[in-house]
Amino acid sequence: DAGVTQSPTHLIKTRGQQVTLRCSPKSGHDTVSWYQQALGQGPQFIFQYYEEEERQRGNFPDRFSGHQFPNYSSELNVNALLLGDSALYLCASSLDVSMNTEAFFGQGTRLTVV
Amino acid sequence: GESVGLHLPTLSVQEGDNSIINCAYSNSASDYFIWYKQESGKGPQFIIDIRSNMDKRQGQRVTVLLNKTVKHLSLQIAATQPGDSAVYFCAENIGGGADGLTFGKGTHLIIQP
Repeated sequence: DAGVTQSPTHLIKTRGQQVTLRCSPKSGHDTVSWYQQALGQGPQFIFQYYEEEERQRGNFPDRFSGHQFPNYSSELNVNALLLGDSALYLCASSLDVSMNTEAFFGQGTRLTVV
Repeated sequence: GESVGLHLPTLSVQEGDNSIINCAYSNSASDYFIWYKQESGKGPQFIIDIRSNMDKRQGQRVTVLLNKTVKHLSLQIAATQPGDSAVYFCAENIGGGADGLTFGKGTHLIIQP
């Protein structure tokens, strides 16, 4: 049973570009949350998707957007990249928001903006 | 500011000793707390969780203690092993699940041979 998988594992982009990161949740999970982790810091909550809708959002600008597909997989899009967007982007999945179950994290995508 | 924080950035213990990692939180409304372990180049790995209706919960070699009076959380690891070397984060939210978790900066646990 595959856990949470993210792609790509590493990515280098130029300032001003746009990037799309992908996440497949753990089998049976229907809720996906995205986090940004700067070097030496704890993860920061970006947003959560459930039933293909953004359910909750952290303190991130509109340049950060997302999508959830019918198969529960998710994408994180970041427009107009800034140097400060360089970080490890983590996806976490869990089962059914209402059940408040344990969250499993993927290995992350390391984004470097130059 | 951050709702959850940690007292020490680095903790060094001898292999076989017990270790205690502490965490303070400031959001009185938080009712779900989790400890994660993160090894270099990997995503956070769930260790143990506790809800606010409990004071203590035990797992395999790990114990989490919750003191709601002083808003303090701790993770005890018994008989530490080299594989326990990692950064440990506490996290909190309201209601559980993965949404809106607030993480602290982390404590780097170093196991000395």
